[in-house]
Amino acid sequence: QVQLRQWGAGLLKPSATLSLTCAVSGGSFSGYYWSWIRQPPGKGLEWIGEVNHSGSTNYNPSLKSRVTISVDTAKNQFSLRLSSVTAADTAVYYCARQMVVGVPGPSDIWGQGTMVTLSS
Amino acid sequence: EIVLMQSPGTLSLSPGERATLSCRASQSLSSYLAWYQHKPGQAPRLLIYGASSRATGIPDRFSGSGSGTDFTLTISRLEPEDFAVYYCQQYGSSPLTFGGGTKVEI
Repeated sequence: QVQLRQWGAGLLKPSATLSLTCAVSGGSFSGYYWSWIRQPPGKGLEWIGEVNHSGSTNYNPSLKSRVTISVDTAKNQFSLRLSSVTAADTAVYYCARQMVVGVPGPSDIWGQGTMVTLSS
Repeated sequence: EIVLMQSPGTLSLSPGERATLSCRASQSLSSYLAWYQHKPGQAPRLLIYGASSRATGIPDRFSGSGSGTDFTLTISRLEPEDFAVYYCQQYGSSPLTFGGGTKVEI
């Protein structure tokens, strides 16, 4: 079955760049959109953006100026970079696969989550 | 951006009872609405997509209904493992957005 495994630095200083990677195993990489979603402590879920196997991206306008989502099809991996982080970026970050339901759909497979904390 | 409002914020129920959760959208979604269950320390779990289709492996006590702007998730008989936070999500328009969540507690 398809599994997502994610990794990256969990402790950052303000103004640094957050970098996370998600590896896809056990299934097809092409034909899907792959997304990043986060949850700040005590708050709800926020969609950050998505990428497909050809590198086409869509971003949340609230983060668009600081976000880059990229794909490495040779390794079946996709990555998130978020620049100029502040305390407001402290959150659990998830990678996820979006179902194909005619449009890029909801997320049916999720990574384990990475807690990213900012500390000066 | 489409805003999703979930109600109530908290639902206090007992095992065996019926839970009815609401999600209202700021504009029509057709049926591009999903529901997730989220427990502490775990990734969210997709329950319902297309407003009413159960995801793979989801028990039939979970059902979704609605279209347009008003949607409902119903848990027919709460099991102990169903106590969690539930989120709705729209995926018909970018950016994808989530509701604020409903906590189902004992």
